[in-house]
Amino acid sequence: AQSVTQPDIHITVSEGASLELRCNYSYGATPYLFWYVQSPGQGLQLLLKYFSGDTLVQGIKGFEAEFKRSQSSFNLRKPSVHWSDAAEYFCAVGDGGYNKLIFGAGTRLAVHP
Amino acid sequence: DAGVIQSPRHEVTEMGQEVTLRCKPISGHNSLFWYRQTMMRGLELLIYFNNNVPIDDSGMPEDRFSAKMPNASFSTLKIQPSEPRDSAVYFCASTPRLGAQETQYFGPGTRLLVL
Repeated sequence: AQSVTQPDIHITVSEGASLELRCNYSYGATPYLFWYVQSPGQGLQLLLKYFSGDTLVQGIKGFEAEFKRSQSSFNLRKPSVHWSDAAEYFCAVGDGGYNKLIFGAGTRLAVHP
Repeated sequence: DAGVIQSPRHEVTEMGQEVTLRCKPISGHNSLFWYRQTMMRGLELLIYFNNNVPIDDSGMPEDRFSAKMPNASFSTLKIQPSEPRDSAVYFCASTPRLGAQETQYFGPGTRLLVL
């Protein structure tokens, strides 16, 4: 069955530090992969997505993610974190057979000044 | 351009009462999704529609839950009777068309508390 694993429930970084959030997926075919962000009290907003082509994708707010098929991973990165990046981040895989998204459990990011 | 609109934003009710959550998708979007988010279970897909027709309701937890989409611009999720374990944030999302590659646009959610 398709699944998404985000190994880190909570991550704390200092403002200005680099960030990497991990995501591993289980899917038989070429996956559609997404990263969404949820700010407190808000709905989810798309950061970036990968369908095919260049395995390094750029998103909004200075985020990028790299698709590594050999590792079944789609990790999210940002070179320098800002306090406003504190939020919960969700990785998701698109299930082509059922036309829906399967979300990971999320990683909550805290940013120290 | 208006995004997905949900109402109410907050709802507090007593066990046994009927609760109706409302969603207006983005104009021109043909697919609509209802999710429930809790600390214990994370983000769960309850049901989704395409062109106003329910496609997959396998995530609806039990018969107390029902959803309708009478037209392209309106959907409801009803819980009758409500129970404390239904307390959660309920999100509605829409996409231009059905497909696993489509970006889902989420509403702000309805925070439901059942006492």
